Formats: sequence, structure tokens, C-alpha cells
Amino acid sequence: SAVISQKPSRDICQRGTSLTIQCQVDSQVTMMFWYRQQPGQSLTLIATANQGSEATYESGFVIDKFPISRPNLTFSTLTVSNMSPEDSSIYLCSVAGRANYEQYFGPGTRLTVT
Amino acid sequence: KNQVEQSPQSLIILEGKNCTLQCNYTVSPFSNLRWYKQDTGRGPVSLTIMTFSENTKSNGRYTATLDADTKQSSLHITASQLSDSASYICVVSGESAGNMLTFGGGTRLMVKP
Repeated sequence: SAVISQKPSRDICQRGTSLTIQCQVDSQVTMMFWYRQQPGQSLTLIATANQGSEATYESGFVIDKFPISRPNLTFSTLTVSNMSPEDSSIYLCSVAGRANYEQYFGPGTRLTVT
Repeated sequence: KNQVEQSPQSLIILEGKNCTLQCNYTVSPFSNLRWYKQDTGRGPVSLTIMTFSENTKSNGRYTATLDADTKQSSLHITASQLSDSASYICVVSGESAGNMLTFGGGTRLMVKP
């Protein structure tokens, strides 16, 4: 299995500011994903972070709002830019495991925008 | 449109009792179905993964079933414990679009002493 850590675990931010969330994996992985989980809701995929190329964003999510970096096979960052209260969510990093169909999730970053 | 629907949305049971959570999906073509447990403030943790050819899989007190013909799955929890209090999420993967995952809305289970 993969062990995933995220920083920060939680933050309270003012509207209009930006927050960068870090995701570190204990092994090299090809595919890393960023999800958002709004209060009381299930997970929604924001983007797939590709090493060495631009991230692939899902419908409704854009690079200007959620820029992603993937400098190597064990690390990725997601920035939530120009935040508004609607961005208050849990943001989760996830990786695909080596075994078929395995997918592991980080502990999440709980973001509150005031 | 690919969808995964779970029922009930929430459930309260007494410690030691059994319960069954339901998942219906419309994802096609189907690749696999997963059940995750998500404790409050944590990321989801995989309980079971089933492919088309599997109709039951157990993980301790958790038993998942899959009927690929009716596109239904259930998660049965036996002899519930207080630590089973969590959200249980059904996730279905399709064979197209890079095995995109479709998440259900989850069932919030509370086990009371």
C-alpha cells in the first residue's frame, strides 16, 4: 500500500487569498489525483497530476483557479487561488496503487474560507 | 450519464447489530466496484474491490455483494462496533475514459452503545 501525507491538515483562510496544499507519497507513483469533498458530499475529481506535463482537469475545474505542480513521482501540490467561501471543502490527494484497481487516499486538508 | 446512488443516506444502529447498505449504479461498461470507509476527518480507506466476475467478497466483518446484471451492490456489516461509525462510499469504475471513478453520495452510519 501507499502512505500519503498532506500539509496542512487544516487551515482557515480569508477570501481572496491562496493556499497551497502539499501531497507526499512514500513511493514513486505514476498517477496522482486531487479531489474535493464539499460538506456532506462525496468526492469530486478536480484533476489528474501528471509528472512532467500539465495536469488534466475535469469539467468545471480550471488551471487558473486550481494550479497543480508535479515535480517528481512522489510529490504534488494543489493551489486554491483567490478563495471564496464556496471553496470551503476537504481537499484529498490520491494515488493509484500498483495492484489492479487499488487507489489510496491521503488524510485530506480541511479548508475553511471566511 | 454514469451515476452511483446509495441508500440509506444515514443510518443509526445499536452496537452488536447487523446492517446492510445499498448501492445502485448505471456505470457502463463496468470494470469494478469498490466500497470505502471514511472516518470523520480522514481520507477514504478501501474495504473491498469486486470485478464483474465476483459476486461476494469479505473483509473481516464486512461482506460486499455484487449483482452485475441488476447493477446493484450491498455492504453488510456484522456485529457492529462503535468504531464502525463512519461514512461508507460506493465507487464504481468504468472501462472507458481511463477507468474514471464515479462516487456515490455515501451512507453515514452511526453505531450507538
